[in-house]
Amino acid sequence: EIVLTQSPATLSVSPGERATLSCRASQSVTTNLAWYQQKPGQAPRLLIYRASTRATGVPGRFSGSGSGTEFTLTISSLQSEDFAVYYCHQYNNWPPRGFTFGPGTKVDIK
Amino acid sequence: EVRLVESGGGLVQPGGSLRLSCSASGFTLRDYAFHWVRQTPGKGLEYVSAISANGGSTYYADSVKDRVTIFRDNSRNTLYLLMNSLRPEDTAVYYCVKGVPTISGPFDYWGQGTLVTVSS
Repeated sequence: EIVLTQSPATLSVSPGERATLSCRASQSVTTNLAWYQQKPGQAPRLLIYRASTRATGVPGRFSGSGSGTEFTLTISSLQSEDFAVYYCHQYNNWPPRGFTFGPGTKVDIK
Repeated sequence: EVRLVESGGGLVQPGGSLRLSCSASGFTLRDYAFHWVRQTPGKGLEYVSAISANGGSTYYADSVKDRVTIFRDNSRNTLYLLMNSLRPEDTAVYYCVKGVPTISGPFDYWGQGTLVTVSS
C-alpha cells in the first residue's frame, strides 16, 4: 500500500498570507495525485489533479506542484473561505483498492 | 449542474445489511467510472469500491471484499452499494464519487454523503 504523509497536521495562517502544504508518498505515484478541500459538514471538493492541474472553477490562488513522491499545494493569499482541511489522494497504485488518501492538513485562522 | 444524492444509510445491527443508492443528474452516468469512499473521524478517508463506466469491472477494498457489491443502473442514472454482514468498524459516512471515464483518475464530484451506523 502506498502511504501518503501530510505535513503539517495543522497550519495556522493569517488571512492574506501564503500557505504551503506538503504531501509525501511512500513510493512514486508519478503525477497521479489530487488535492481536495473539505469544510465542516461538507463533502470533499476537488481542487487539483494530475499534481498541478486546477479543477474547473478553482481560483487561481490554488496551485499544485511535484512529482514522484513529493508534492505541494500552495494557497497564495488565504481568503476566509479557504480555512478547511486539505487532503491529498493518489490514484496511481492499481488496482483501485490501492488508491489512498493522506490524513489531511487543517488550515485554521492564526 | 452535476448532482449526486446518496440515500439508504441508517442504523443497523452488526451482521445486518443495507443498500446505499446514489442518484446522479446533470451528466450521462454511463460515460464515467464511479467510486464509493467512506470517512470516519478515526481513520479519515478510506477507499471502498469502484465500478467501470460500463459496469463490467468492479473493485473492492480488502476491508469490505466479499461483503459488499457495487453495481449501477445506467438507465436509472443510479449507483448502488449493497452491504452485507456489517460490522461496527463499517460505521462511517459513505460518499458516492464520480470519477473520470477510466477508473484510474481523480474524483471530480462527491455526493453529500450518507451516514451508516453499525451498532447493537
